[in-house]
Amino acid sequence: SQTIHQWPATLVQPVGSPLSLECTVEGTSNPNLYWYRQAAGRGLQLLFYSVGIGQISSEVPQNLSASRPQDRQFILSSKKLLLSDSGFYLCAWSGGTGFINEQFFGPGTRLTVL
Amino acid sequence: GENVEQHPSTLSVQEGDSAVIKCTYSDSASNYFPWYKQELGKRPQLIIDIRSNVGEKKDQRIAVTLNKTAKHFSLHITETQPEDSAVYFCAASKSPQGGSEKLVFGKGTKLTVNP
Repeated sequence: SQTIHQWPATLVQPVGSPLSLECTVEGTSNPNLYWYRQAAGRGLQLLFYSVGIGQISSEVPQNLSASRPQDRQFILSSKKLLLSDSGFYLCAWSGGTGFINEQFFGPGTRLTVL
Repeated sequence: GENVEQHPSTLSVQEGDSAVIKCTYSDSASNYFPWYKQELGKRPQLIIDIRSNVGEKKDQRIAVTLNKTAKHFSLHITETQPEDSAVYFCAASKSPQGGSEKLVFGKGTKLTVNP
């Protein structure tokens, strides 16, 4: 069965510091991968998606970036965090060996920028 | 692009009653409509989905209906229980174009089931 991991689970960072969040998927190949952000008490905002290694599409302009160095690894980064970057970051996957469309979320990283 | 509206934003019901959450979408090409349940502090969990080739789908106490003509779909929860309390999100997407099937989410409905 497929499993998705995210780390770290929680993170507290000062404004202006760098960020690196990691997501890995097991049990499937060539998945589509997604990064979402959820502000406190709010909905899900799609940040980036990737259909393959090195292929990244950005949904909203921001100071974040994403990379996919391996088939089942997706990384979210920032060079300098802003207060507004605080939120719950969720990685998701779809496709691979399962049905297209169905997206499954990782456990998330709760980021607080102080 | 696709736009998904979800109502109500909050819903409070008594245990045992039914709950209905409604969503409308704008892109007539959308053909996949999932529902996610998110408990406090947890990840969204896919609870049921429907594709545009059917009008209704049921899974025990949960059902989803789809009206393609009116471009709306609804989640029905019968015999609600306190553990149904959570935030529910609807979403819409269409067949992959260029390899990706992006979901567009509604803003969520906070359901509270009172014992």
